[in-house]
Amino acid sequence: NAGVTQTPKFRVLKTGQSMTLLCAQDMNHEYMYWYRQDPGMGLRLIHYSVGEGTTAKGEVPDGYNVSRLKKQNFLLGLESAAPSQTSVYFCASKEANYGYTFGSGTRLTVV
Amino acid sequence: RKEVEQDPGPFNVPEGATVAFNCTYSNSASQSFFWYRQDCRKEPKLLMSVYSSGNEDGRFTAQLNRASQYISLLIRDSKLSDSATYLCVVNGWRDMRFGAGTRLTVKP
Repeated sequence: NAGVTQTPKFRVLKTGQSMTLLCAQDMNHEYMYWYRQDPGMGLRLIHYSVGEGTTAKGEVPDGYNVSRLKKQNFLLGLESAAPSQTSVYFCASKEANYGYTFGSGTRLTVV
Repeated sequence: RKEVEQDPGPFNVPEGATVAFNCTYSNSASQSFFWYRQDCRKEPKLLMSVYSSGNEDGRFTAQLNRASQYISLLIRDSKLSDSATYLCVVNGWRDMRFGAGTRLTVKP
């Protein structure tokens, strides 16, 4: 039982490059989320999805896009990476009022 | 004002001590509440849910006061392995909002 799997675990990008972070969950959860975590800032919601084919903006969506073509996958895209997007990215999934299950995170550095 | 505010910490306590963390939230429509634990360079993991009547899980006790919009976590008989950052989490209708976390270090 893998839970929530994020790939890649680490990445270094040059400013202006693009990349996609993949999140996959095997718990049949409806809700999926992408957060970023920066020192002293706590976790901030980037985008989320309440079901297959749906996405919505969170607190800090600028510079990111997402897609949820299949229920088990939630993709986070950076079209043109900026140094301000250097962060640790966590994907999470849940059902209704239960707590989140998190992936192990992706450490992204933009130089 | 942040939606979820926690004690800034850090808390440095000796083994065996009792330590309490506090958290306030601003959205009175919040539906459910949790404490998460996050170890250094790891993902947050659910420690316990918080119920209106209060609840215990071994050495951990969580309390919720809806009228004051206040949540607490009490850790008794602290262990070295309790050293971590503790996140207060409040669930709205669509997503969960996180406090910035309180860092706890338990020393021998």
